[in-house]
Amino acid sequence: SQQGEEDPQALSIQEGENATMNCSYKTSINNLQWYRQNSGRGLVHLILIRSNEREKHSGRLRVTLDTSKKSSSLLITASRAADTASYFCATDINNQGGKLIFGQGTELSVKP
Amino acid sequence: DGGITQSPKYLFRKEGQNVTLSCEQNLNHDAMYWYRQDPGQGLRLIYYSQIVNDFQKGDIAEGYSVSREKKESFPLTVTSAQKNPTAFYLCASSILAPVNTDTQYFGPGTRLTVL
Repeated sequence: SQQGEEDPQALSIQEGENATMNCSYKTSINNLQWYRQNSGRGLVHLILIRSNEREKHSGRLRVTLDTSKKSSSLLITASRAADTASYFCATDINNQGGKLIFGQGTELSVKP
Repeated sequence: DGGITQSPKYLFRKEGQNVTLSCEQNLNHDAMYWYRQDPGQGLRLIYYSQIVNDFQKGDIAEGYSVSREKKESFPLTVTSAQKNPTAFYLCASSILAPVNTDTQYFGPGTRLTVL
C-alpha cells in the first residue's frame, strides 16, 4: 500500500473557512513535504518539514508533524477560491537517495 | 527564465508504437525524475537519475525506458510493452541538497492517450 495516505480524499468548504488535510505514513522519514496541483498542471512545492521539527508556518499554511504517530497535517487558514486544487503529501524516506513517495492526495474545493 | 519544460503537452499514440516524452531543465539540477499519474491518483515513480549516464528504476519501470546523456535532459520512452500507457506524465528535478532539505520542481506534464 502507499507510504502516504491522505484524508479526506475530497473536501469542500466556503471561502474564509479553514481547510485541514491529514497524511499518514508507515516508515521513518528524513522529511515530509506538501505539494499543490492545479487541475491538469504540474505540482508546486508548498512546504517542507524535517523529521526533527514539529510545526512550520508559511503564510496561511501551517504544517504539523507527529513522528510518534507517523502523521502530518496541513492547515490552510482563511481559504480563498484560488486555493482550489489537489494537495499531496510526499515523504523523503531514510536511505532512499532523495526519492519521494507521494500520497493519493486531497482534492480541495473552495466555494466563493 | 529558469525552469523545467516538457513537450508535447498532449500526445496521441496508436497501439504498438513507441513514443518519447521530452523533459528539459535549466536549473542545473543533478537529479531528474519521471512520474506517472492516473486520474484521481497520486504520483508513481517510473525512473530517476541522480547523475549523467546513470539512472535507476522506480516502482513501475516496466514498459518504459530512459536515457540521461546530458545533465539538462531526461527523455522518457513509452514502449509498446507498456500495456496501459494512457496517463498524465510528470517530470521533476531536484538539486540533491543535503539530507532533509531536498525538494522537487515539476514540469507542466504531458498527457498521453493511446488510441
